[in-house]
Amino acid sequence: DTGVSQNPRHKITKRGQNVTFRCDPISEHNRLYWYRQTLGQGPEFLTYFQNEAQLEKSRLLSDRFSAERPKGSFSTLEIQRTEQGDSAMYLCASSREFQIGTEAFFGQGTRLTVV
Amino acid sequence: AQSVSQHNHHVILSEAASLELGCNYSYGGTVNLFWYVQYPGQHLQLLLKYFSGDPLVKGIKGFEAEFIKSKFSFNLRKPSVQWSDTAEYFCAVNAQQAGTALIFGKGTTLSVSS
Repeated sequence: DTGVSQNPRHKITKRGQNVTFRCDPISEHNRLYWYRQTLGQGPEFLTYFQNEAQLEKSRLLSDRFSAERPKGSFSTLEIQRTEQGDSAMYLCASSREFQIGTEAFFGQGTRLTVV
Repeated sequence: AQSVSQHNHHVILSEAASLELGCNYSYGGTVNLFWYVQYPGQHLQLLLKYFSGDPLVKGIKGFEAEFIKSKFSFNLRKPSVQWSDTAEYFCAVNAQQAGTALIFGKGTTLSVSS
C-alpha cells in the first residue's frame, strides 16, 4: 500500500492552455474523489467516482473541467482553456466501498499555477 | 445541502496549553464526522472520526473530539499541545446513509510556540 499518488506534483501553465492531472488511488479502493483547495480554504469537492462511474459532480466543476476513470483504477482530471482562477491545489482521495464511517485517504496534491 | 463551519481561523498557543477547535455542521440527517490534519508540506491525514456509539472519540497523538448532536457540533480537543502539533486542522462531514463525498470546513491553522 503506497497510498494515493498524484502526478505531477506541480504544474505551471499559460492561460488558455489545457492541463491534465493523474491520480492513482490505493489499489483496493473503488471510490475516487477530486477536490480543489485554494489558500485559506478547505478542500472543495469537485467530483467522485465509484469504479468507472462518475456519480456526482459539484457545481464548481465547470464545462472546462472533465474527469475520467476509464477502467476503474487511475483517474485523470483535465482542465481546458485554463484561467488564472484555476490556480489551486488539486487533491485526489480514495476510499473503500462505502460503509458507515469509511474514511478517505488523500494524495499529496497537484499544485497548478496559471500565469 | 451539508456545510461545515470552523469558528477559529488561526489559533496561537504555547506548548502545554490546552486546545479546543470548534466545528459545527449543517445537515438534518445522520452524519459521519471527521477531523483531518495537514502538517506543513504533507498530505491530509485522518486524526479521528465519529459515526456511532460513544460521542467522545479518541484519535491519534492524544486528540479527542466530542459529538454533541443537539448542538450539531464536533469540537476537537487536546489537553496539552506540542510544537509538533503546528498544522492546519479540517473538520469534515458526510451523510451517513447516502455515502456522499466529504464536505470540509475552511480549516483552522494552529501555531504552537515552544
